[in-house]
Amino acid sequence: DIQMTQSPSSLSASVGDRVTVTCRASQSIGSYVNWYQQRPGKAPKLLIHTASTLQSGVPSRFSGSGSGTDFTLTISSLQPEDFATYHCQQSYDMPYTFGQGTNLEIK
Amino acid sequence: EVQLLESGGDLVEPGGSLRLSCAASGLTFSSYTMTWVRQAPGKGLEWVSTLTGSGGITYYADSVKGRFTISRDNSKNTLFLQMNNLRVEDTAVFYCAKGKGLYDYWGQGTLVTVSS
Repeated sequence: DIQMTQSPSSLSASVGDRVTVTCRASQSIGSYVNWYQQRPGKAPKLLIHTASTLQSGVPSRFSGSGSGTDFTLTISSLQPEDFATYHCQQSYDMPYTFGQGTNLEIK
Repeated sequence: EVQLLESGGDLVEPGGSLRLSCAASGLTFSSYTMTWVRQAPGKGLEWVSTLTGSGGITYYADSVKGRFTISRDNSKNTLFLQMNNLRVEDTAVFYCAKGKGLYDYWGQGTLVTVSS
């Protein structure tokens, strides 16, 4: 199985900050990475697919990059509603594994 | 608007069975592969099972293979997950999601608790 390792596991930041979350795959997976946002008690929401394509309706302050084994999710200017948990996921090969999540907290 | 609504979660003893349902609306249900994903308390997301639109091809995580069965009734726009021989480690919120490897719509989840 392909392992997805996210870092950091938790992150404290302030409104207006620029933050980056990293996801590393245990083998090369091209651009087959998706990012989800999950607010407490809610279902995950698709933010970015195929590494860098913004899902419809997602604000442009979210961006994704990377290919091969290393991927990043960047939020350019944090807004109050962005404090949540972020999950990466590979859709290169089954089982489609997720990272362990990054909990973004208010500083 | 696509909506997915899970039901069927409950408290069950180890070795017991449950059947989860996911009622879909706002899409041509039979056209889409559907997936179950779970999340244990305080943990990350785990893919569980996937079923093609026609119902002809199934996929299972090793952790549930032989115990869980995914199925669908396209006439009722409903996805199912039959869970047998449940274990304590199956305790989780179970989400249904639209898609095979990319999940663009999710239900709100249903809680399955396995405990004696």
